[in-house]
Amino acid sequence: GAGVSQSPSNKVTEKGKDVELRCDPISGHTALYWYRQSLGQGLEFLIYFQGNSAPDKSGLPSDRFSAERTGGSVSTLTIQRTQQEDSAVYLCASSFGALTEAFFGQGTRLTVV
Amino acid sequence: GDSVTQMEGPVTLSEEAFLTINCTYTATGYPSLFWYVQYPGEGLQLLLKATKADDKGSNKGFEATYRKETTSFHLEKGSVQVSDSAVYFCALSTGANSKLTFGKGITLSVRP
Repeated sequence: GAGVSQSPSNKVTEKGKDVELRCDPISGHTALYWYRQSLGQGLEFLIYFQGNSAPDKSGLPSDRFSAERTGGSVSTLTIQRTQQEDSAVYLCASSFGALTEAFFGQGTRLTVV
Repeated sequence: GDSVTQMEGPVTLSEEAFLTINCTYTATGYPSLFWYVQYPGEGLQLLLKATKADDKGSNKGFEATYRKETTSFHLEKGSVQVSDSAVYFCALSTGANSKLTFGKGITLSVRP
């Protein structure tokens, strides 16, 4: 597609439920990133994919968070047993790889009630 | 590990004032450097970049020069406009298997 596409754009879920967030990167981009932005806060790195592998998972806050990428394209971020502190905007970005600029999606606003 | 340090905010300026937003970095290897901007209600977008020492990135009247000797990439604009009000993030990327590392961001408000 023309840009990075994320879905859903908004998600409200009850505490304890699982959620899946989807990211469609720009075609041909080999690198894919997930970040989290809480209200008034900076960007918190979650995970980075190069192709289908994740050389850096250091930012995942707990084992409730997982992510996968298939076919070197679409990625899903899964949060199990959601907590209120998981409420944030989840941003996905893609790029041609190291040293190149990343292009961001519009984000998924997750609200846990 | 890699890190980016931005000056504390927020910053409030009058229209046509001169802007400097400081950014320094620590990196293994030889990074590429970026400034990203997030306008109110919009997504993050690249403002400018530089890939080697002494390179100057520029866009929309903003400039930043890659200074290897001081490990800095300060953002400047000679005359800010109300439409420049946004959050600005400095970032770096190093070699393979490396994430894009961001600073904490700084909010700029420009008043008429």
